[in-house]
Amino acid sequence: SAVISQKPSRDICQRGTSLTIQCQVDSQVTMMFWYRQQPGQSLTLIATANQGSEATYESGFVIDKFPISRPNLTFSTLTVSNMSPEDSSIYLCSVERRLTETQYFGPGTRLLVL
Amino acid sequence: KQEVTQIPAALSVPEGENLVLNCSFTDSAIYNLQWFRQDPGKGLTSLLLIQSSQREQTSGRLNASLDKSSGRSTLYIAASQPGDSATYLCAVMSETSGSRLTFGEGTQLTVNP
Repeated sequence: SAVISQKPSRDICQRGTSLTIQCQVDSQVTMMFWYRQQPGQSLTLIATANQGSEATYESGFVIDKFPISRPNLTFSTLTVSNMSPEDSSIYLCSVERRLTETQYFGPGTRLLVL
Repeated sequence: KQEVTQIPAALSVPEGENLVLNCSFTDSAIYNLQWFRQDPGKGLTSLLLIQSSQREQTSGRLNASLDKSSGRSTLYIAASQPGDSATYLCAVMSETSGSRLTFGEGTQLTVNP
């Protein structure tokens, strides 16, 4: 398994500001992902965080809105930029050691934008 | 495009009952299927992973089956307990999507004491 921590666990932010969420894993992993879970809905993949290169974004998500960094094999950040109330969600980081193996999820960051 | 559907959306049962949660997916070209549990306001806990070559996986009171050709999986929970109350999510890793998971909407389970 993998032990994943996220910071902050929750935050309340004002419209127009930005928040950076951190994801830390207890050991090196191949793949890291960022998901969004809007209220009452299931998870939607935002992007794959690639170590040493630009993230790969899913349809409907762009780098200007959700810049991602992955400086090494155990750490990644997701920034939610120029926030609006529609960005209120739980943001989850997940990791996978090797392709087609179990994905493990962090505890999530609950974001409320006023 | 892979689509994952879970039925029922919600389920309420008395303690001790055996129950079945259903998951279906539209594209049978998958690497694996994973069942997760999510408690309110929390992250996801991985319950079982079934590779495409497998028919079922068991962990304690949980048993998950996979019929890849028909695009179906079931999660069987034996002798349910109030602590099993949570949302159960099914997620599929398609062969065409790398390691991306496609999630169903989940089944919200309530086990009443």
